Amino acid sequence: AQKVTQAQTEISVVEKEDVTLDCVYETRDTTYYLFWYKQPPSGELVFLIRRNSFDEQNEISGRYSWNFQKSTSSFNFTITASQVVDSAVYFCALSEVTFSGGYNKLIFGAGTRLAVHP
Amino acid sequence: NAGVTQTPKFRILKIGQSMTLQCTQDMNHNYMYWYRQDPGMGLKLIYYSVGAGITDKGEVPNGYNVSRSTTEDFPLRLELAAPSQTSVYFCASRQGPDSGNTIYFGEGSWLTVV
Repeated sequence: AQKVTQAQTEISVVEKEDVTLDCVYETRDTTYYLFWYKQPPSGELVFLIRRNSFDEQNEISGRYSWNFQKSTSSFNFTITASQVVDSAVYFCALSEVTFSGGYNKLIFGAGTRLAVHP
Repeated sequence: NAGVTQTPKFRILKIGQSMTLQCTQDMNHNYMYWYRQDPGMGLKLIYYSVGAGITDKGEVPNGYNVSRSTTEDFPLRLELAAPSQTSVYFCASRQGPDSGNTIYFGEGSWLTVV
């Protein structure tokens, strides 16, 4: 069975601090996709990143970076120099790879609520 | 640029009542999904559809029904509402299963059953 664990329920930081959100996953599949979504106070879900299990390269996008470690089944997300606008709930998600090489159903973690204070 | 539109945004239901959450997308996407998000929890898949006329159960389908008569619309029906169905419901869509196709989520529908 697939499972995503985000052990940090809530994190509170002061603006400009770096913060890392942890994500640990379980799957019997050898190939899979991992995702991060942001849910700001307005409620909608915003796609941040998708990573294929074949690609263990870390990725950086502006102040965001992701550390994928297959050996520890982790896909952690770091925000550098956090800002108040980063305050949101962040979800990690997992999906099996479909027969066609894509993905369909997402399994979500419980989310981590990040509060960035001025 | 509407994307995925859900209605209503907020609703209070009495136990035993029925209602339909509407979802429509204007991107001609084949795949559509309904998720629910309970407080402090991640999203759980209720039902999904890979095209008009095709639907399938997700993780938590009990108490719900769906239909997909058109590509654009994917309504979620709650029969005999129960307090356990108090949740935030998200509809989502994407073009297809290819890895490059992003899932687009609606803004959510807050449902309270009292």
